[in-house]
Amino acid sequence: DAKTTQPNSMESNEEEPVHLPCNHSTISGTDYIHWYRQLPSQGPEYVIHGLTSNVNNRMASLAIAEDRKSSTLILHRATLRDAAVYYCILASGSRLTFGEGTQLTVNP
Amino acid sequence: ETGVTQTPRHLVMGMTNKKSLKCEQHLGHNAMYWYKQSAKKPLELMFVYNFKEQTENNSVPSRFSPECPNSSHLFLHLHTLQPEDSALYLCASSQEGTGGGETQYFGPGTRLLVL
Repeated sequence: DAKTTQPNSMESNEEEPVHLPCNHSTISGTDYIHWYRQLPSQGPEYVIHGLTSNVNNRMASLAIAEDRKSSTLILHRATLRDAAVYYCILASGSRLTFGEGTQLTVNP
Repeated sequence: ETGVTQTPRHLVMGMTNKKSLKCEQHLGHNAMYWYKQSAKKPLELMFVYNFKEQTENNSVPSRFSPECPNSSHLFLHLHTLQPEDSALYLCASSQEGTGGGETQYFGPGTRLLVL
């Protein structure tokens, strides 16, 4: 499985945008880029995914580099409820291989 | 009920006990998964089922025995577990279990403690 690299932790202030980076230099042409998040004591929750083009949904935006070797998850206005571990995952089949993720702290 | 449900939410068992974890999905999906999340470690995929057939076993010890009687239900039968098996066990489902574009929907997990 192709690997991703994320910062261990990031901090943000409430109501400010957050940009969570992910590097995936060994991505293959068939790999989708997925983002999930896990709140304390809960199962992971789907956030967004994309293949080549940038994607927007009600939760976030996903910006994918032109060479696809990196991507950025954008939370437009962070809230306290966005504090979680965010996982960037490459998937070409049904398998999701989770890494350590980024622990996002949101300050009031 | 909606989404993916798991019971029990918490379980304490001795090493000689036999117990079962249950997962049910109300999404009409055809693929179901078991994951294990140990303390301070990433989620690890254990088993994958597509249309009730096991399609992946990620080198899981035989003391974990999955069962998928239909596309909506998934069980994990536990026997003679070890303390190091204490973890959060997560169930997930997806539409077809094929293709990297699928979204997986996770249940809340069962927190297992083996004494």
